[in-house]
Amino acid sequence: AQSVSQHNHHVILSEAASLELGCNYSYGGTVNLFWYVQYPGQHLQLLLKYFSGDPLVKGIKGFEAEFIKSKFSFNLRKPSVQWSDTAEYFCAVNPYTGGFKTIFGAGTRLFVKA
Amino acid sequence: SAVISQKPSRDICQRGTSLTIQCQVDSQVTMMFWYRQQPGQSLTLIATANQGSEATYESGFVIDKFPISRPNLTFSTLTVSNMSPEDSSIYLCSETQGTEAFFGQGTRLTVV
Repeated sequence: AQSVSQHNHHVILSEAASLELGCNYSYGGTVNLFWYVQYPGQHLQLLLKYFSGDPLVKGIKGFEAEFIKSKFSFNLRKPSVQWSDTAEYFCAVNPYTGGFKTIFGAGTRLFVKA
Repeated sequence: SAVISQKPSRDICQRGTSLTIQCQVDSQVTMMFWYRQQPGQSLTLIATANQGSEATYESGFVIDKFPISRPNLTFSTLTVSNMSPEDSSIYLCSETQGTEAFFGQGTRLTVV
């Protein structure tokens, strides 16, 4: 079965620190990849997505992610975090099987100290 | 983008009772999805709600416990039946446009 693994469950950073959240998936076929963010008390929203083309994708709020097919990875990065980035981040995979089911990782809870 | 409305936003229920959660989307969609997000955990897909046919349940979820209705292309309900404290969770309705998933605010259910 397809699965998504996120390497860190909790991350604590100071403002202006760099962020990298790891994500690996297990599926041998074509996939669409996503990072979702859930700010405290809010619903899930899309941060960025990869379908095809340039493996380095840029999302909202200065986030970017790199798809490395050989490593089945889709790590999220931000050069300089802000207090407002405190949230939970979910990596997700949609295997291109036509079922449009989205499979989520366990999530990484990020806390940014002001 | 999509606008998804869920009702109720939260509820506290007695064990043994049932709760029906409603989900309304602002455009016609073929498939809607129901997820559960237990405390401190990720989203787990419960089932895919297809208009005009029975819902497709994921491993570990059964129709008797989580009956789903899908009367038209913009609406679906999920019922959590015979509730126990283990059912305390956030239940989320979702739909996809292309392969991007959009989510409602969720229903926070507490079973006492």
